[in-house]
Amino acid sequence: ILNVEQSPQSLHVQEGDSTNFTCSFPSSNFYALHWYRWETAKSPEALFVMTLNGDEKKKGRISATLNTKEGYSYLYIKGSQPEDSATYLCASNTGTASKLTFGTGTRLQVTL
Amino acid sequence: KAGVTQTPRYLIKTRGQQVTLSCSPISGHRSVSWYQQTPGQGLQFLFEYFSETQRNKGNFPGRFSGRQFSNSRSEMNVSTLELGDSALYLCASSLAGFYEQYFGPGTRLTVT
Repeated sequence: ILNVEQSPQSLHVQEGDSTNFTCSFPSSNFYALHWYRWETAKSPEALFVMTLNGDEKKKGRISATLNTKEGYSYLYIKGSQPEDSATYLCASNTGTASKLTFGTGTRLQVTL
Repeated sequence: KAGVTQTPRYLIKTRGQQVTLSCSPISGHRSVSWYQQTPGQGLQFLFEYFSETQRNKGNFPGRFSGRQFSNSRSEMNVSTLELGDSALYLCASSLAGFYEQYFGPGTRLTVT
């Protein structure tokens, strides 16, 4: 993996569904993996920053895991709500701590 | 505390002109990064400044430049504007490069 890749590109779920997204990143020279949430007409907002292999972070109904050896991270949303509708971006500091490389994001739409 | 501010919020310029965008980070943050977002592209890293020094630069032509002042405020300049420079330009501040980044509202640049 040379770049940060996210899948799926978009997702449409019903309220109450649980969902998860994948982020793949270069595993060599790894510093940190970030998850951001970007709602329309707003600025990206940090969800998690993870640095250690096996890290798990949780904020309310959203959680994330990190595998630095194989270069992937999962973001989980439990019981999706319409207000979770946003683009979820992951980004990695790889090779240098001062450069953040973003994936193209997963666009989530939650309907009633 | 006050968030990241960017000025101006919107800008319309003509091909060949130059433009300067400004970013004021959160108080105490010494790292400022700049990103470009165009339709269909993720956030593309432009450069990162820390304590008035550019520590990293993305793959953009030399027409894109930046600087950081002693109060951590940062400016980016684009000379000889091209139609393809039309984009949303976001700046983000953090304590250091690999900590969570706080994004400003962005400057929407349109080049005609």
